[in-house]
Amino acid sequence: GQQVMQIPQYQHVQEGEDFTTYCNSSTTLSNIQWYKQRPGGHPVFLIQLVKSGEVKKQKRLTFQFGEAKKNSSLHITATQTTDVGTYFCAGRDGGSQGNLIFGKGTKLSVKP
Amino acid sequence: NAGVTQTPKFQVLKTGQSMTLQCAQDMNHEYMSWYRQDPGMGLRLIHYSVGAGITDQGEVPNGYNVSRSTTEDFPLRLLSAAPSQTSVYFCASSYSSSTYNEQFFGPGTRLTVL
Repeated sequence: GQQVMQIPQYQHVQEGEDFTTYCNSSTTLSNIQWYKQRPGGHPVFLIQLVKSGEVKKQKRLTFQFGEAKKNSSLHITATQTTDVGTYFCAGRDGGSQGNLIFGKGTKLSVKP
Repeated sequence: NAGVTQTPKFQVLKTGQSMTLQCAQDMNHEYMSWYRQDPGMGLRLIHYSVGAGITDQGEVPNGYNVSRSTTEDFPLRLLSAAPSQTSVYFCASSYSSSTYNEQFFGPGTRLTVL
């Protein structure tokens, strides 16, 4: 079945450093969504990418969807302590009306 | 709007006990789902529903039952709790099961089975 792999599993950065998490699917995705989960909290929707090669920005966060629609990335510029949490990507197989398949997430810690 | 609500927030069970985790949403969403979250495993889909009266199995359905008698409510039943079911359970909803809808998550239920 479809798999969504996410790396790295953990990332420790100094405040002000950049951070990137990568998401790869075994199949072509119709779209990809990104969620953030703060420690002790629940996942919260950040953004959705639909088009091949799409790039979207939210302040210091940049999201990309690969040309083949099989990979995506989230890049945070100049991390802040408020960025701490786990970032999940989630995608659906483009050929089915299946449910979201979540990656295992990247847990970001930021040292002040 | 309260969004997605879940009760209880915490629960401790003994092996073999049964219980129901409650989930409700007030956004008139068609699609509702249950996930479990274990360390290093991400979010795994247990059961989902595309509308009242319709439910289906997700990736890890064994040991759980669901029903959807109303649009608002989607309870998850543990039939005979096992230590392997110790986890954090999240309920989520979206406007429809369409590919392009974001999911709204509840605050979660932290379940420990002894």
